[in-house]
Amino acid sequence: AQSVTQLDSHVSVSEGTPVLLRCNYSSSYSPSLFWYVQHPNKGLQLLLKYTSAATLVKGINGFEAEFKKSETSFHLTKPSAHMSDAAEYFCVVSDHSTGRRALTFGSGTRLQVQP
Amino acid sequence: DVKVTQSSRYLVKRTGEKVFLECVQDMDHENMFWYRQDPGLGLRLIYFSYDVKMKEKGDIPEGYSVSREKKERFSLILESASTNQTSMYLCASSLSGQGKYTEAFFGQGTRLTVV
Repeated sequence: AQSVTQLDSHVSVSEGTPVLLRCNYSSSYSPSLFWYVQHPNKGLQLLLKYTSAATLVKGINGFEAEFKKSETSFHLTKPSAHMSDAAEYFCVVSDHSTGRRALTFGSGTRLQVQP
Repeated sequence: DVKVTQSSRYLVKRTGEKVFLECVQDMDHENMFWYRQDPGLGLRLIYFSYDVKMKEKGDIPEGYSVSREKKERFSLILESASTNQTSMYLCASSLSGQGKYTEAFFGQGTRLTVV
């Protein structure tokens, strides 16, 4: 079975400092991994995705994530936080080998950015 | 751009009512999904459909049913609404890739309150 664990429910950073949102996954095969962002009262937007090409994936708004199979991790990073990054972030896994066609979501990490 | 449209942003219904949530996508996607989103729990899959008239239960199908009579439309039905079904409901659609499941595109959500 596939599952996702987001290790922090809340992260608070100062504007201009690095962001790290942690995600570990469990999957029986070679998964597809995604990060989505949800701003208040907005829909979910895809930030980036990993589908077995390069292990370092670049997304929108300066975010990137690195797939580490040995650690079963897919942490999201950004070198310098901006106030507009304040939102909830979801790590998501899709594992074709299980036959489950739907995405499995983590419980989310709320990012606060302090001025 | 892919567009997933949910018929209502906000709904208030009474306990015991039959409730219909409608979702339409305009990109000819095979897969459609209904999730519910609750604080601290992330998104949980209720039902999904991978073809017209085909459906599979997700993680929390109890108290819900679905209908997919046309490829572009996927309806979620609450047979007899209860207060514990008060939640944000998100519809999504995706393509079936070659051996991989592609990212899902989400609607804006319907915030349902059952009183």
